[in-house]
Amino acid sequence: EVQLAESGGGLVKPGGSLRLSCAASGFTFISYNMNWVRQAPGKGLEWVSSISISDSYIYYADSVKGRFTISRDNAKRSLYLQMNSLRAEDTAVYYCTRSYDGGLFDSWGQGTLVTVSS
Amino acid sequence: DIQMTQSPSSLSASVGDTVTITCRASQSISSYLNWFQQKPGKAPKLLIYSASSLQSGVPSRFSGSGSGTDCTLTISSLQPEDFATYYCQQSYSAPYTFGQGTTVDVK
Repeated sequence: EVQLAESGGGLVKPGGSLRLSCAASGFTFISYNMNWVRQAPGKGLEWVSSISISDSYIYYADSVKGRFTISRDNAKRSLYLQMNSLRAEDTAVYYCTRSYDGGLFDSWGQGTLVTVSS
Repeated sequence: DIQMTQSPSSLSASVGDTVTITCRASQSISSYLNWFQQKPGKAPKLLIYSASSLQSGVPSRFSGSGSGTDCTLTISSLQPEDFATYYCQQSYSAPYTFGQGTTVDVK
């Protein structure tokens, strides 16, 4: 069974930093691109970032470019999102997703809540 | 960036009804269109990929059609567990944009 388990969310002050992690199991991690998608409270879904199997391509949404960094450790079967210079508008549930073909998100984690507030 | 527009934003329906949701892209995305279902407090679930392919385990009452700029999700014979919010999403090119969502609630 495919499992994606996010962790690392919490309450952080504006301008602060947070690192999210996603532990993957139940599938061949190195065969999939990985992604982060977020959802602000009561709002729709917003793609945040994607990383390919061997880091050969990395994409970011304009809203996080220059502040967030996506990375993966294939040996640990883990995906990460380093979030710096956090703003109130970054408050959201952050989902880890996998994709076999570009932006086709076929499995999702349960999400981790990030709250940016003073 | 490719903009995705869903209609309607919400609709009310009864068990047994056939429901249709439309998604329009701001440029052609071929068949790179996916549909997700989300229930409150839960992660989204992939229903349809490549515009018309049913994801494994998804009931056959869900179907998708279309290509280019216009796609449709149809739910035939709506069941109680189908009351949820539905999102379309383009996987043609990054940024991988979503529609704003369509909430299907009980009439």
